[in-house]
Amino acid sequence: GIQVEQSPPDLILQEGANSTLRCNFSDSVNNLQWFHQNPWGQLINLFYIPSGTKQNGRLSATTVATERYSLLYISSSQTTDSGVYFCAVANAGGTSYGKLTFGQGTILTVHP
Amino acid sequence: DAGVTQSPTHLIKTRGQQVTLRCSPISGHKSVSWYQQVLGQGPQFIFQYYEKEERGRGNFPDRFSARQFPNYSSELNVNALLLGDSALYLCASGTGWTEAFFGQGTRLTVV
Repeated sequence: GIQVEQSPPDLILQEGANSTLRCNFSDSVNNLQWFHQNPWGQLINLFYIPSGTKQNGRLSATTVATERYSLLYISSSQTTDSGVYFCAVANAGGTSYGKLTFGQGTILTVHP
Repeated sequence: DAGVTQSPTHLIKTRGQQVTLRCSPISGHKSVSWYQQVLGQGPQFIFQYYEKEERGRGNFPDRFSARQFPNYSSELNVNALLLGDSALYLCASGTGWTEAFFGQGTRLTVV
């Protein structure tokens, strides 16, 4: 099956700093999503971005499908940005088009 | 509009027991998927149902089963619980082809 690798595994920042999270995947995809998991376990949708670039406030994301990677940018980080960030993809050639394969996540800690 | 709702939010079961978890999708969504997340890992795909038919199954034993009802809600059943089944169980709904939206999860502890 498709493999998803996220980097870095851990990231510690001071409030106000910028960061870039990376997601590499091993096959063509028809779905790529970025999530933020809050301390209570809920996965919050950040971006649905199988290709191209999107921005939402301080967050933006870029997916280069031909090179099989996606980047999540967080600018002017705040303590509330702390948590685990997941990248998840669905394989374009898969028989289960709704099956998301998740990476291992990036644990972000933002200190005041 | 209500998001994806799951019940219960927490439960504790004893080894060998059976458990049923429930999920109501976002109105208009016909696809429901189930995921298991153990501590420190990303969610793992268990099942997907679309229009009440199973459309995908992950690498889980036959102790895990699911179904989708005419109103598109879904149940996940786990029989003969093991300690290793302790996890956060997440339900996602969507149109099937595009963005998935997750519920708050059910945290299952097996003792």
